[in-house]
Amino acid sequence: QQPVQSPQAVILREGEDAVINCSSSKALYSVHWYRQKHGEAPVFLMILLKGGEQKGHDKISASFNEKKQQSSLYLTASQLSYSGTYFCGTEVRGSARQLTFGSGTQLTVLP
Amino acid sequence: DSGVTQTPKHLITATGQRVTLRCSPRSGDLSVYWYQQSLDQGLQFLIQYYNGEERAKGNILERFSAQQFPDLHSELNLSSLELGDSALYFCASSDQTINEQFFGPGTRLTVL
Repeated sequence: QQPVQSPQAVILREGEDAVINCSSSKALYSVHWYRQKHGEAPVFLMILLKGGEQKGHDKISASFNEKKQQSSLYLTASQLSYSGTYFCGTEVRGSARQLTFGSGTQLTVLP
Repeated sequence: DSGVTQTPKHLITATGQRVTLRCSPRSGDLSVYWYQQSLDQGLQFLIQYYNGEERAKGNILERFSAQQFPDLHSELNLSSLELGDSALYFCASSDQTINEQFFGPGTRLTVL
């Protein structure tokens, strides 16, 4: 079953912060985050493996609440280059490492 | 550059035809995944291969088939094409330890 992402779209000004959420009804083994620019391939951002784990990549970080099967992606001090569609991919234990992707959150950063 | 290559980049064909999409994974990656992305849609998992064997199947139509060869490259075969098959087809590879998936540039299929 596909994870649910929210919001569907968000528009920011450069320097503002954003949070993208991803929730699943299944017990998750890991959560992956990708960014895709229009017409290009998705690019890996980070993976979260354990409950409560938080990771960071420059000004982008994420958390994973294993009890709630929820993950959040935090973008701080947004830059124009952050624009794109963000997908979470969830991996269920025993799924042969298969990822199920959410429908995506379209992020637009304006100058 | 992810290290995953896909050919061709673009493919235009007619309904009822058959096409083959090719993917070469990153050096050392044993797993290959195929995804379909329709216009402004999410990524739909089609099928996964690991070291030549089918590992998992997703929403793959019976008209579609895939295989992974001994040199680890993979091919996705689409037959009896319909207008609705027009989409971006991505291949991704991973090393199966962390399962960080690296995506190829995709093949844009247009069925007329």
